[in-house]
Amino acid sequence: EVQLVETGGGLIQPGGSLRLSCAASGFTVSSNYMSWVRQAPGKGLEWVSILYSGGFTYYADSVEGRFTISRDNSKNTLYLQMNSLRAEDTALYYCARDMGRAVAGSFDYWGQGTLVTVSS
Amino acid sequence: DIQMTQSPSSLSASVGDRVTITCQASQDITNYLNWYQQKPGKAPKLLIYDASNLQTGVPSRFSGSGSGTDFTFTISSLQPEDIATYYCQQYDSFPYTFGQGTNLDIK
Repeated sequence: EVQLVETGGGLIQPGGSLRLSCAASGFTVSSNYMSWVRQAPGKGLEWVSILYSGGFTYYADSVEGRFTISRDNSKNTLYLQMNSLRAEDTALYYCARDMGRAVAGSFDYWGQGTLVTVSS
Repeated sequence: DIQMTQSPSSLSASVGDRVTITCQASQDITNYLNWYQQKPGKAPKLLIYDASNLQTGVPSRFSGSGSGTDFTFTISSLQPEDIATYYCQQYDSFPYTFGQGTNLDIK
């Protein structure tokens, strides 16, 4: 059974750093495209970043240069390193698995999310 | 960035009704469009991919159509468990973008 479990969220001051983890089971992270998607409280969905199986990465403009997506194959875990955090980064952060087709961008499994609150 | 405009933003309908939501892209995205359902407190669930393909395990009352810039999502006969927020999402180009969502409830 495919499962994604995010951890690492919490309350952090503006300018601080946080690393989110997404532990996967039931499939191999390194063989799939993986994304982070966030949702500010009471708001819609915003795609954040993608990591291709081949290592290619892409970021939303709002996080480019501040966030880094990566994975640890030995732990079958996806990460999101978030630096220089701002109040507008406050959101529930989901990791999501791509469907596994040649065309990326369709997320068939999602974690339950981890909440990041940026506030002084 | 490609802007995705959903309408309506909210919708009330009765059980058994046919429900339609539209999504318009700011530029041609061919058929690179998904529809997701999100229930309160839950993660989104993929319902439709490639604009019209039903994801495995999703009831056949859900359907999608369209190509280019104009897309439609339909529930043929609304059920109580369909109460949720629905989002369209394009994956034609980065950054992937979502519509603002349609809140669907029972009248």
